[in-house]
Amino acid sequence: AQSVTQLDSQVPVFEEAPVELRCNYSSSVSVYLFWYVQYPNQGLQLLLKYLSGSTLVKGINGFEAEFNKSQTSFHLRKPSVHISDTAEYFCAVTSNTGTASKLTFGTGTRLQVTL
Amino acid sequence: DVKVTQSSRYLVKRTGEKVFLECVQDMDHENMFWYRQDPGLGLRLIYFSYDVKMKEKGDIPEGYSVSREKKERFSLILESASTNQTSMYLCASGGRGGANVLTFGAGSRLTVL
Repeated sequence: AQSVTQLDSQVPVFEEAPVELRCNYSSSVSVYLFWYVQYPNQGLQLLLKYLSGSTLVKGINGFEAEFNKSQTSFHLRKPSVHISDTAEYFCAVTSNTGTASKLTFGTGTRLQVTL
Repeated sequence: DVKVTQSSRYLVKRTGEKVFLECVQDMDHENMFWYRQDPGLGLRLIYFSYDVKMKEKGDIPEGYSVSREKKERFSLILESASTNQTSMYLCASGGRGGANVLTFGAGSRLTVL
């Protein structure tokens, strides 16, 4: 079984400030890790994913995440946020041993960017 | 771009009614999923299907059933809706294998009165 913990349910930040959204996972097997974003009244869309290789992964809209196996973390970062980044962000994990991409999601972090 | 289309964005039903939520994808994906999204709980998997007529229970299947008669269509059925099934329902599809990204529909917000 696997699980995902997003410790921060809400993160308020001023525009142009840096932000880090935290994600920790638990799994007994090797995993693939994902960050999805949900803008108001929309479905989820992929920000970035870690499958293998370099532990620093770059995604869309200037976001990046770092896979840390020893700390079982996959924190999402952006050096300077914009108002349009206001959304809910979900970390997700799946094992790399199955045939179905059955994701387990965290509870989400609402990023609120203000002027 | 892969498109996942959910037939209804908003539904209001009464307790005890039978509810059908339809989902169609246009990229020939093997896998399809139904998630339920609630504030503070994130997304929880209800059912998924890895092939036509095949289905597997997710984490919260109670009170739900599914149907996949064609590869592109995956239906979620609430046999007798209850107020605790008021929620946002998200359908997703993806290719075979854990590395494949899921593509989500816009969601169906169901209110059961």
